[in-house]
Amino acid sequence: AQSVTQLDSHVSVSEGTPVLLRCNYSSSYSPSLFWYVQHPNKGLQLLLKYTSAATLVKGINGFEAEFKKSETSFHLTKPSAHMSDAAEYFCVVRGYSGAGSYQLTFGKGTKLSVIP
Amino acid sequence: DGGITQSPKYLFRKEGQNVTLSCEQNLNHDAMYWYRQDPGQGLRLIYYSQIVNDFQKGDIAEGYSVSREKKESFPLTVTSAQKNPTAFYLCASSRGLAGPGETQYFGPGTRLLVL
Repeated sequence: AQSVTQLDSHVSVSEGTPVLLRCNYSSSYSPSLFWYVQHPNKGLQLLLKYTSAATLVKGINGFEAEFKKSETSFHLTKPSAHMSDAAEYFCVVRGYSGAGSYQLTFGKGTKLSVIP
Repeated sequence: DGGITQSPKYLFRKEGQNVTLSCEQNLNHDAMYWYRQDPGQGLRLIYYSQIVNDFQKGDIAEGYSVSREKKESFPLTVTSAQKNPTAFYLCASSRGLAGPGETQYFGPGTRLLVL
């Protein structure tokens, strides 16, 4: 079985300050990990993904995430928040579930607010 | 532009009524998915399809049905058996099901409301 825990349901930062959205996972096999962003009443957009290559992954809009196997974490960061970053962010793990199948598990989301 | 379209954007259902949500993709993807999103609960998988004329139940399939007659299309019917259908429904697609790094791409969603 696999699971994803987003440690904060809501994060609030001031514009221009760093963003940290935390994600921990558990998986029996080496997983792939994703971060998606969702703006209100919109679909999910892929920010970045980790698939066992470089542990530091760079994504769109200045976001990056570091895969730390020893800590089973995949935290999302950005050096300087912009107003347009205000959205909900989902951490997702994709792991092998047996018989040639892969299972996708979504975290419950972290809502990011950016204060002007 | 390649992508996934969902229609309608908002849908209203009366008690006892079946409604169908449309999902179309022009990405030439083999696999398609339906998710339900409720506030604070993330996304939950309803149904998925790996190829045409084949589909599998996800975690919360009760009260829903799907068909996959064409590669591009994966409509979802919310039946009267679904007692709590109010939610945001997201369709997604990927090249396939296999492969650890397979990425899913999402449509803009349909919000279903019960009258």
